[in-house]
Amino acid sequence: EIVLTQSPGTLSLSPGERATLSCRASQSVTSNSLAWYQQKPGQAPRLLIYAASSRATGIPDRFSGSGSGTDFTLTISRLEPEDFAVYYCQQFGSSPYTFGQGTKLEIK
Amino acid sequence: QVQLQESGPGLVKPSETLSLTCTVSNGSISSYYWSWIRQPPGKGLEWVGYIYYSGSTNYNPSLKSRVTISVDASKNQFSLKLSSVTAADTAVYYCARGASGSNYWGRGTLVTVSS
Repeated sequence: EIVLTQSPGTLSLSPGERATLSCRASQSVTSNSLAWYQQKPGQAPRLLIYAASSRATGIPDRFSGSGSGTDFTLTISRLEPEDFAVYYCQQFGSSPYTFGQGTKLEIK
Repeated sequence: QVQLQESGPGLVKPSETLSLTCTVSNGSISSYYWSWIRQPPGKGLEWVGYIYYSGSTNYNPSLKSRVTISVDASKNQFSLKLSSVTAADTAVYYCARGASGSNYWGRGTLVTVSS
């Protein structure tokens, strides 16, 4: 089973700042089969990024994904108030399709 | 826009079987993968498994002996059964379209395991 470790656990930033979230896999994720989700309280997760770097439909271009192999990054270029939420990475290159434990992005 | 809606009992007794259905509207269940994901209160996401519309499945090994996912294309529904539940199975259960990056999700339904 591939274990995904997200860091930091909590990230405190202000609107307008840049956010960098990390997702590290215990073994290589094949074909960059990695997605990022955003989840707000009481809501289902929303797909932001798939295939490590492709933005899902309707996702603003301030969200970008990068990385390969075992190290992946989600970058939010300029934080908007609505971006403060919990972010999860998920790999689907190897079953079981595991999630990271999440990074909480909070307002500083 | 495709919509998914989970339904089923919100309370299940220990050792019994949890049964949920996901109804897909504004779209066909054919030609897609359909997933179940769960989230214990205050915790992270756990992948439960998926089914292809043709019936092939893939389950999380940690649940494999207890989980069954099935599809009823005539009703545009797919279902989850989880047997021998314990308090550790208390979670919000989400259904979603896709197996590799799910872009359509239901709102989720809380299932509590308690006597």
